[in-house]
Amino acid sequence: NAGVTQTPKFRVLKTGQSMTLLCAQDMNHEYMYWYRQDPGMGLRLIHYSVGEGTTAKGEVPDGYNVSRLKKQNFLLGLESAAPSQTSVYFCASSYSYSGSYEQYFGPGTRLTVT
Amino acid sequence: KNQVEQSPQSLIILEGKNCTLQCNYTVSPFSNLRWYKQDTGRGPVSLTIMTFSENTKSNGRYTATLDADTKQSSLHITASQLSDSASYICVVSAFINAGGTSYGKLTFGQGTILTVHP
Repeated sequence: NAGVTQTPKFRVLKTGQSMTLLCAQDMNHEYMYWYRQDPGMGLRLIHYSVGEGTTAKGEVPDGYNVSRLKKQNFLLGLESAAPSQTSVYFCASSYSYSGSYEQYFGPGTRLTVT
Repeated sequence: KNQVEQSPQSLIILEGKNCTLQCNYTVSPFSNLRWYKQDTGRGPVSLTIMTFSENTKSNGRYTATLDADTKQSSLHITASQLSDSASYICVVSAFINAGGTSYGKLTFGQGTILTVHP
């Protein structure tokens, strides 16, 4: 049981390049999330999904797209990377989103855009 | 605007000592409050989750308190160990129904960086 895994762990992009971050979970969770974490700030929600084939915008969605073609995978795409997208990206999943269901986080992807 | 403020920003203590971290929030409608531990280079890991009706919850040497009236929470660490060195994040959940989708919006604090010295 690996929990939540993310690939890659590190990546350096040049401005304008594109990339996709992959998140996978093996806990059969319905809900999945993408966050970014910047120094001195709390985690901020980029996009989330309440089930296979559904996605929704979070707090800071601009410049990102997501897809959830399979229940266990949640992809985060950057079509044209900008230096402002330099951050650590975390994926999380949860069984549901009410009451006390907790979110399980992946190890993070450190992205630098030059 | 929903906000979660944590204090202090950083804290240094000696191994074996106790410490208390603070969290104030303005989040509504309140669903639950969580404390996470985040080791350097790792994702956050849940320590406790408390709903409105719970005012104390323990997880080993970690004890969280919640005062829903004053919208304050604290995390007390007893007999600190070197492995307690980490960032501790207070997270408050607001339960939202938007367009037919139930969504628990989490507001994260900026974290308190705890360093335990031998």
